[in-house]
Amino acid sequence: QVQLQESGPGLVKPSQTLSLTCTVSGGSIRSESHFWSWIRQPAGKGLEWIGRIYTSGNTNYNPSLKSRVTITIDRSKNQFSLEVSSVTAADTAVYYCATWAYGSGSYYVDNWGQGTLVTVSS
Amino acid sequence: QTVVTQEPALSVSPGGTVTLTCGLSSGSVSTNHNPSWCQKSPGQAPRTLIHSTNTRSSGVPDRFSGSILGNKAALTITGAQADDESDYYCVLYMGSGISVFGGGTKLTVL
Repeated sequence: QVQLQESGPGLVKPSQTLSLTCTVSGGSIRSESHFWSWIRQPAGKGLEWIGRIYTSGNTNYNPSLKSRVTITIDRSKNQFSLEVSSVTAADTAVYYCATWAYGSGSYYVDNWGQGTLVTVSS
Repeated sequence: QTVVTQEPALSVSPGGTVTLTCGLSSGSVSTNHNPSWCQKSPGQAPRTLIHSTNTRSSGVPDRFSGSILGNKAALTITGAQADDESDYYCVLYMGSGISVFGGGTKLTVL
């Protein structure tokens, strides 16, 4: 069973860049049957899909965040990462990394990380 | 941008049946959207209950079922239990690599 663990600073100053890493264990980030993604939930609000990356490095982003978001993959460390630039208080949220199973007409989240709270504040 | 719509809140009596729906602000939901449903309880990571419209994830009780009802995806809980009280989110694949979550339904069991 794949396990995911988010890591990174819990506090980021406004206008700076938020950086998180998701470490994958129990599976390979080179999997051709998975996408690797980030999802967030601000306090009191719903889940928001941020974006995804494939083992090839191809990415897709939420159009509303695309100008500020970068997702990268490090196959040597079995990790993938998220950067959100020019953050504001609106980026304060619990951030989850997740894997999406892909194949045979299916596409869904089959593994979730535990989530990490990132607060944007001076 | 297309919005994925869900009932903000619903309630069900213990042992009762409730259906949550997932629609689009423009158009109909179909199996091509690969509708999934996840359960999100406070302080816990989300858990995928249903994927590919009607496939239960491993370990999910069979009182949870998914379907397409009319022009929406639906999650039905038959024989609701107290610990089903939670937030439920649908997520749709919109094409071009983009997925969109619905706003969520807060389900109360009382």
